[in-house]
Amino acid sequence: DGGITQSPKYLFRKEGQNVTLSCEQNLNHDAMYWYRQDPGQGLRLIYYSQIVNDFQKGDIAEGYSVSREKKESFPLTVTSAQKNPTAFYLCASSPSRTGGIKTQYFGPGTRLLVL
Amino acid sequence: AQSVTQPDIHITVSEGASLELRCNYSYGATPYLFWYVQSPGQGLQLLLKYFSGDTLVQGIKGFEAEFKRSQSSFNLRKPSVHWSDAAEYFCAVGARNAGNMLTFGGGTRLMVKP
Repeated sequence: DGGITQSPKYLFRKEGQNVTLSCEQNLNHDAMYWYRQDPGQGLRLIYYSQIVNDFQKGDIAEGYSVSREKKESFPLTVTSAQKNPTAFYLCASSPSRTGGIKTQYFGPGTRLLVL
Repeated sequence: AQSVTQPDIHITVSEGASLELRCNYSYGATPYLFWYVQSPGQGLQLLLKYFSGDTLVQGIKGFEAEFKRSQSSFNLRKPSVHWSDAAEYFCAVGARNAGNMLTFGGGTRLMVKP
């Protein structure tokens, strides 16, 4: 079954702690994205990666970090610098950006809560 | 930069009634347009998309949307709503010169009365 998996489904963070959210895709997509979703605010782009070993900041990258060492994987770390991390985090992927815009496909999400 | 407005935060319709969810965008050229649906606690599922051509687009689950350039709109419609359609709906716009980036509206939560 092709798709995007995110783990864990729920994640709890203590003050001062870094936590990492996993995103894996087996769609052979080149591009991957991380979004944050807060009630009533739609989705906001945190980071995106168009190709392995390369990534760019989105609109709200402060307090977050990413890596893209493999095509299939794009983990997101929520650092202690992110003062309001409670949100629903969505990972997406799309085929190569060349040749015009491509549809983004989404994973099931991870809900991050602060203890 | 492009932007998307979904004017209705909540909409309630009776089962079997017709539905129209509004989406207005701001962009200087012809955009790429998408509608996604999200069930509670789940990811987003693509309903339909407009890239070019016929301005009336058919999607999954009986949904359709019409691109109206003169009104900068891409409203989502369904002739008869089912209880399982209760969810949150997001409109998104992509710019033709901005790589693969999407800008999302704030969403419309649909509730269905029996």
